[in-house]
Amino acid sequence: SSELTQDPAVSVALGQTVRITCHGDSLRTYSASWYRQKPGQAPVLVIYGKNYRPSGIPDRFSGSSSGNTASLTITGAQAEDEADYYCNSRDSSGDLHVVFGGGTKLTVL
Amino acid sequence: QVQLVESGGGLVKPGGSLRLSCAASGFSFSDYYMSWIRQAPGKGLEWVSYISSSGRTKYYTDSVKGRFTISRDNPKNSLYLQMNSLRDEDTAVYFCAREIRTIAAGEMGYWGQGTLVTVSS
Repeated sequence: SSELTQDPAVSVALGQTVRITCHGDSLRTYSASWYRQKPGQAPVLVIYGKNYRPSGIPDRFSGSSSGNTASLTITGAQAEDEADYYCNSRDSSGDLHVVFGGGTKLTVL
Repeated sequence: QVQLVESGGGLVKPGGSLRLSCAASGFSFSDYYMSWIRQAPGKGLEWVSYISSSGRTKYYTDSVKGRFTISRDNPKNSLYLQMNSLRDEDTAVYFCAREIRTIAAGEMGYWGQGTLVTVSS
């Protein structure tokens, strides 16, 4: 099965821009989705498809992809963006499987 | 609005069984693929299983294949996960999740609050 790799931790100054990346072979075939998870809460989808935001997600969240790398960019990070962020995609190994990245802990300074 | 409410978690001994349920409301349940996703304490998310909108097609991660069975009852708007031969490493919060679109793309737009399964002697 495929794997998705994320940096364990990233920090950003309040109001600055941060990029969180996700690497994996499956991203050459399938789009990544991105989730925000705060402690004790269920994950929330923030980006899916080419670069779609679900209803209620601020437009400071955007997604992009190139080759085997997908990126989540937060432009003007806010204190409430501090959370764990996970990427996922369909697994490119054949069956209808899903793979998640290990998650990135975002700290807003 | 879309609601997913899991139930059925609890403490079970290794080798034991448990059946999780997920009650869905606020959308046409029979139109969507559904998944179970778990998160071990302090760890990341792990996809467990997928079931097609009709219930005819099912997929599992390798570590649960042959032990877990996903099913759904569309008239009852319910999703299930029968877990047998449970192991310590199955200890996790189990979430049911719905795709944001009516395709199987791994785009989990809606999640329940999760139910904790603890496997321990």
